[in-house]
Amino acid sequence: LAKTTQPISMDSYEGQEVNITCSHNNIATNDYITWYQQFPSQGPRFIIQGYKTKVTNEVASLFIPADRKSSTLSLPRVSLSDTAVYYCLVARGMNRDDKIIFGKGTRLHILP
Amino acid sequence: DSGVTQTPKHLITATGQRVTLRCSPRSGDLSVYWYQQSLDQGLQFLIQYYNGEERAKGNILERFSAQQFPDLHSELNLSSLELGDSALYFCASSVASQGETQYFGPGTRLLVL
Repeated sequence: LAKTTQPISMDSYEGQEVNITCSHNNIATNDYITWYQQFPSQGPRFIIQGYKTKVTNEVASLFIPADRKSSTLSLPRVSLSDTAVYYCLVARGMNRDDKIIFGKGTRLHILP
Repeated sequence: DSGVTQTPKHLITATGQRVTLRCSPRSGDLSVYWYQQSLDQGLQFLIQYYNGEERAKGNILERFSAQQFPDLHSELNLSSLELGDSALYFCASSVASQGETQYFGPGTRLLVL
């Protein structure tokens, strides 16, 4: 599984667009990229998933360049309730004994 | 509500004891994953089961074991507990075995005194 690197923390203000970038230089051909959101003392929650180019849903967009060595989660017009930890996960169709590595995530703090 | 249930929500026990955590996956999901999250740490993958069989193993201690039953619920057994085992334990489920979108339960908070 590809190792991921994210900023440890980010601050932003309400109403702003927030972009969190994840690096995954050794991503494999059949890997896909998934982002999760976690609030304190809760289980992570799926946000968005993509393979290449751009994916958009009702809560976020995911931008993946052609080389797929990084991805950017974009949160439009954030609010205080978006304060959470965001994890980037890169995984393929898992073979036996593949490990899942979530990393430490990005702690996003939204200020009023 | 993800559809994944975990019991108990909280567990307080003493060092050296043994506990069992239980997880029921979403209806139709065949894979169950277990994770450990210590205070202010990331998620540590422990083990995955798919349709009753062990599929992948992470950094799971020998004192820990898990199984998935024919009705697809899973149990994580923690024995000879140590203070450092105090953590949140999450269960997640997914449709198949491919590590695709996982749906997480609310977690069990274990405190070892």
